Amino acid sequence: DGGITQSPKYLFRKEGQNVTLSCEQNLNHDAMYWYRQDPGQGLRLIYYSQIVNDFQKGDIAEGYSVSREKKESFPLTVTSAQKNPTAFYLCASSIRVGGSTDTQYFGPGTRLTVL
Amino acid sequence: QKEVEQDPGPLSVPEGAIVSLNCTYSNSAFQYFMWYRQYSRKGPELLMYTYSSGNKEDGRFTAQVDKSSKYISLFIRDSQPSDSATYLCAMKGDTSGTYKYIFGTGTRLKVLA
Repeated sequence: DGGITQSPKYLFRKEGQNVTLSCEQNLNHDAMYWYRQDPGQGLRLIYYSQIVNDFQKGDIAEGYSVSREKKESFPLTVTSAQKNPTAFYLCASSIRVGGSTDTQYFGPGTRLTVL
Repeated sequence: QKEVEQDPGPLSVPEGAIVSLNCTYSNSAFQYFMWYRQYSRKGPELLMYTYSSGNKEDGRFTAQVDKSSKYISLFIRDSQPSDSATYLCAMKGDTSGTYKYIFGTGTRLKVLA
């Protein structure tokens, strides 16, 4: 089955810790994205990557970091600098960024809670 | 003013009803319009993808775009309890570099058996 997987499904973090959320896709998509979803707000873009070894900041990148060493993988690290990290994190991918082929498909999400 | 406005609901309808979900937007550059369905604690699932104005039908779902009014709609015919979910609209522009999707906050729909 082709799709996007995210792990873990639930993650708990103590204040001051860094945590890494996993995102893997086997759709052969070039572009991958990380969003954050909070109650009452639309999805907000954290980072996106158009191709391996390249990534760009989105609207709310502060306190987050990413890497794109493989086409299939786009992990997100939530650092201790992120002041309000409790949220639902969604990874998405598309064939490429821009134009009609930029149809984004989402993974199942990771719910991060800071204790 | 937000770029995309969507009534959060909840919207409760009886089974079999026709449901109308709507979004308004302010940026006339938007050219692509999407509707996603999101079940509780799950990722959004793409339902409809349309380009520019007009209607698009897929089974019980019809997406409608009125660019002159900056208004998009999703109609669900013969609604079922399994349609109970949050529906997100999303849109993006067509000019170079405007890669970014803008999402509505979602409308929560409850279809009562």
